[in-house]
Amino acid sequence: DSGVTQTPKHLITATGQRVTLRCSPRSGDLSVYWYQQSLDQGLQFLIQYYNGEERAKGNILERFSAQQFPDLHSELNLSSLELGDSALYFCASSSRTDTQYFGPGTRLTVL
Amino acid sequence: AQTVTQSQPEMSVQEAETVTLSCTYDTSESNYYLFWYKQPPSRQMILVIRQEAYKQQNATENRFSVNFQKAAKSFSLKISDSQLGDTAMYFCAFMRVWVTGGGNKLTFGTGTQLKVEL
Repeated sequence: DSGVTQTPKHLITATGQRVTLRCSPRSGDLSVYWYQQSLDQGLQFLIQYYNGEERAKGNILERFSAQQFPDLHSELNLSSLELGDSALYFCASSSRTDTQYFGPGTRLTVL
Repeated sequence: AQTVTQSQPEMSVQEAETVTLSCTYDTSESNYYLFWYKQPPSRQMILVIRQEAYKQQNATENRFSVNFQKAAKSFSLKISDSQLGDTAMYFCAFMRVWVTGGGNKLTFGTGTQLKVEL
């Protein structure tokens, strides 16, 4: 158990819908990262937050957004969902050591 | 931009034997970290080992060790005394280290599927 929690574990929805994925980092970690793992794109970095502020951005679609709240949990919002958004979405967190510890992931299926 | 290459899509090894997984990377940075993560069938991403680029000594974690060749930009993982529980997808990953600010994204390779057989 990495100490990073993600909810829900599984999510099935329809095209055009909007979903929210939630992540709670390890105790004391200020950085939260979101990654997408799909069969065709592999593991891709989406976005990083540090203590509530956006720190780095990857190839995150405009339909996707994220935020980190004062209690340091983070949410990833995916809207106008398409079939190609089906993937495993990971959250990771890190402290000053910079080593990232991953949550169990949320499997999103868009039908 | 950094790239990470894992040229072995699949490998197999007999239980108790030793296996080496290859990884090469391309970067113009001098300060970075390298990681190996494993992803078993449960799909959980588990940290295996970490190497700081400024350290000449190769990292070791129990049965797992790395051969870090900075000049060659090579970072291989050796698994000794392989166990059935080592069956997993193994990902090599690169992270740039910033002096101040900056991001800490991981850039992953495409992975090597390792199967440990009886």
